[in-house]
Amino acid sequence: IVLTQSPDSLAVSLGERATIHCKSSQNVLYSSNNKNYLAWYQRKPGQPPRLLIYWASTRESGVPDRFSGSGSVTNFTLTISSLQAEDGAVYYCQQYYYPPPTFGQGTRLEIK
Amino acid sequence: QVQLQQWGAGLLQPSETLSLTCAVSGGSLSGYYWNWIRQSPGKGLEWIGEINNSGSTNYSPSLMSRVTVSIDASKNRFSLTMISVTAADTAVYYCGRAMPGIAVPLIDSWGQGIQVTVSS
Repeated sequence: IVLTQSPDSLAVSLGERATIHCKSSQNVLYSSNNKNYLAWYQRKPGQPPRLLIYWASTRESGVPDRFSGSGSVTNFTLTISSLQAEDGAVYYCQQYYYPPPTFGQGTRLEIK
Repeated sequence: QVQLQQWGAGLLQPSETLSLTCAVSGGSLSGYYWNWIRQSPGKGLEWIGEINNSGSTNYSPSLMSRVTVSIDASKNRFSLTMISVTAADTAVYYCGRAMPGIAVPLIDSWGQGIQVTVSS
């Protein structure tokens, strides 16, 4: 499954909202449990990726509620509301519906 | 809180064997799959393979001919071996723990990463 993120990079002002898209080449919604097998990660320089969102919209423990995920089937969105300086990072989506797990190419978010 | 500490050789010559180890602290190996993932400038994040404490493994189809993931439960650690490396294997390699109960890996805990460079 190929995941394509858009845009490749964006610059958003402090306190504003950032929106990142992830399009899957195949359906990642499992009809038996109505769950989308799609996650979002944040990676800052020199650090490993950090899991932010899974099941497309469930926040990982400790993730601020300004991070939210939405979407279904093949189209997904990560929204970061009220951007903070520490949100500057590269964001990746990942599908875990069909092996092997695959990742989007990443979206670089710059805070203006 | 589980912690993963990884180590291994960071500079290899083409055709050599990559060997990395990841030690798990603050938790047991049991009940989880333990993964290797890499990130290179050219290919982004790429899943390599996984193992559980029973030794059951899964590998990326594109790498499985060169990769072995092994586990030493007595030392709470697992390892990656990759033979015949080339410059294309230059990447930051991460170990990670997969969230339980999901068939395809979703990594919820990561090692700090180690840069591996393949160069003559």
